[in-house]
Amino acid sequence: AQKVTQAQTEISVVEKEDVTLDCVYETRDTTYYLFWYKQPPSGELVFLIRRNSFDEQNEISGRYSWNFQKSTSSFNFTITASQVVDSAVYFCALRGIMNYGGSQGNLIFGKGTKLSVKP
Amino acid sequence: EAGVAQSPRYKIIEKRQSVAFWCNPISGHATLYWYQQILGQGPKLLIQFQNNGVVDDSQLPKDRFSAERLKGVDSTLKIQPAKLEDSAVYLCASTLAGSDEQYFGPGTRLTVT
Repeated sequence: AQKVTQAQTEISVVEKEDVTLDCVYETRDTTYYLFWYKQPPSGELVFLIRRNSFDEQNEISGRYSWNFQKSTSSFNFTITASQVVDSAVYFCALRGIMNYGGSQGNLIFGKGTKLSVKP
Repeated sequence: EAGVAQSPRYKIIEKRQSVAFWCNPISGHATLYWYQQILGQGPKLLIQFQNNGVVDDSQLPKDRFSAERLKGVDSTLKIQPAKLEDSAVYLCASTLAGSDEQYFGPGTRLTVT
């Protein structure tokens, strides 16, 4: 079965602090894709990143960075020098390529982590 | 470029009533998805269309939910009759064929009383 676990339900930080959002996944696929989405209060999910299972290089995009470790099945997301505009719910998601009970490799989301950045 | 449009944004109905949601994807996006997001949960796929054909509807409760995308552009999701547990945000997303980057609409928040 495929599963995504985001153990942190809510995190509150003060502006300029660094924060890491954890994501642990389970899959039997050898090829799979991992995603992070941001959901601000307006409700629309915003795509942040996609990584495939063969690419374990960490990635940095401005204040955002992602740490992918296959050995621990984790794909953590760090925001450096957080800002109030980073306040949102962040979702980690997994897409495999095999058909499990009818799900043809579609996105499996975690429950999300609500990040509050206070000024 | 216009994003994914959804309407209505909010809907309140009583249980056993019917309701319909509308989605207009980004122009040129062949793939369209409907998700259900219950409060405190991540989105769960209900149905995926490729043009006007259904690719995956394995998690759609077909006894009460239906969806169509007749001309391969906009889509309608219907619930008939609604139950209390259908209270959720219904999200529509679209992608270019073969792409993984899903663009989401603002969602329709349904409250069933």
